[in-house]
Parts: sequence; C-alpha cells; structure tokens
Amino acid sequence: DAKTTQPNSMESNEEEPVHLPCNHSTISGTDYIHWYRQLPSQGPEYVIHGLTSNVNNRMASLAIAEDRKSSTLILHRATLRDAAVYYCILPIGSSNTGKLIFGQGTTLQVKP
Amino acid sequence: NAGVTQTPKFQVLKTGQSMTLQCAQDMNHEYMSWYRQDPGMGLRLIHYSVGAGITDQGEVPNGYNVSRSTTEDFPLRLLSAAPSQTSVYFCASRHDRNGSPLHFGNGTRLTVT
Repeated sequence: DAKTTQPNSMESNEEEPVHLPCNHSTISGTDYIHWYRQLPSQGPEYVIHGLTSNVNNRMASLAIAEDRKSSTLILHRATLRDAAVYYCILPIGSSNTGKLIFGQGTTLQVKP
Repeated sequence: NAGVTQTPKFQVLKTGQSMTLQCAQDMNHEYMSWYRQDPGMGLRLIHYSVGAGITDQGEVPNGYNVSRSTTEDFPLRLLSAAPSQTSVYFCASRHDRNGSPLHFGNGTRLTVT
C-alpha cells in the first residue's frame, strides 16, 4: 500500500509562501496524489490533487516530482485562515478501491 | 446542488442503543465513505462503497453496518452504541474511485453515555 510521510508541524509568517512537503516513495503509476485540509473545529475540505503534472487552482499549487515519489503543496501567500492540518493522501490498495486513508498530516501555524 | 448532507448534526445515545446516521449526496457520485474523528485525532475510514449494492470495510468497521441500496444514500448503523464510539462522523463522496476529489458532509457529532 502506498504510504505518505509528512512533517508533524510547520510554521509560516502571514503573507509569505508556504511549501508543505510529502514523501510517497511507494506510489504506483496510477495513484493520484490528494491534498486536503481541516481547519479548527471544521470538517475536512479538498485542496488539490494531481497525477503527474504540476497543478494549480485558486487555493494552492501542487508540485509533483518527476519520479512522483514526493510532492509539495504550495500556498502562495499564507493567511491566518490557512492555519489548519494538511493531509497528503494516496489511495490504499489498488487505485480501483477508491479508499483514501488519512494519516496525521502537517499542522500549519501561521504567525501574523 | 446540496452536495453531501448528513443528519442529524448532533446526537446523544445511551450505551446499548442503536441508531442510523444518514448520508445523502445529489451529485450522482459512485463512491461514498464514512470516517470517524475522535477528539484531537485524525480521520479513520469505517466503511466505503464503490457503487449501489457494493460495500466494503475500512480501517475501523467493528460495531458499524452500512448498506448502499441507492446511489444517493449511504446510511451508517450503530448496532449497540458504546462510549468508545463517541466521535464526529463524516460522510464523503467522490465521482469515481481514483481521479476525483472527496466531497465531505458537515459531520455528525455523536456522544454515547
């Protein structure tokens, strides 16, 4: 099963870029890399996902290494509202099961 | 679209009681799943379904039953509630099994006394 490794916590200053790393050395060729976040006292929310190419949306960018064994979630200008737990997730078992297992994630603190 | 709707928002049960947490989605999503989140912890997968009539176990299935008679609904049944099942329960759906994101409901906060 593909497994992800993330730092337990990171800090950032407001209005600065944040790079959240994730290692997934056992990823298979068809596994999408998903990122979700959970703000305090709220449910999880989707951030971004990708397969091979770098991806951008209104919330963030996802940079995927050429060998796909790691990825980085980039928040271009952190705000206080971005303080959350960020989860990097791959499917468990074959991609065909659809199972997404959440690990402990990275707790991001944003300082004013 | 309402997205993923969970009811109730809050529930208090006594030990041994049974109940059903409801989850409905109006996006014609193939895949649905239930997670629980204990205080200060991450999400754990309870059960999931890849389509109507098909369900399978996740990480922590004991004490819970599910069924998927329609594409839209995926209820979670607690057979005999225990204090260890005190948690926040999230239902999530996605269009397919791999390349689409999960959409989460707002959660049901369950307390078992």
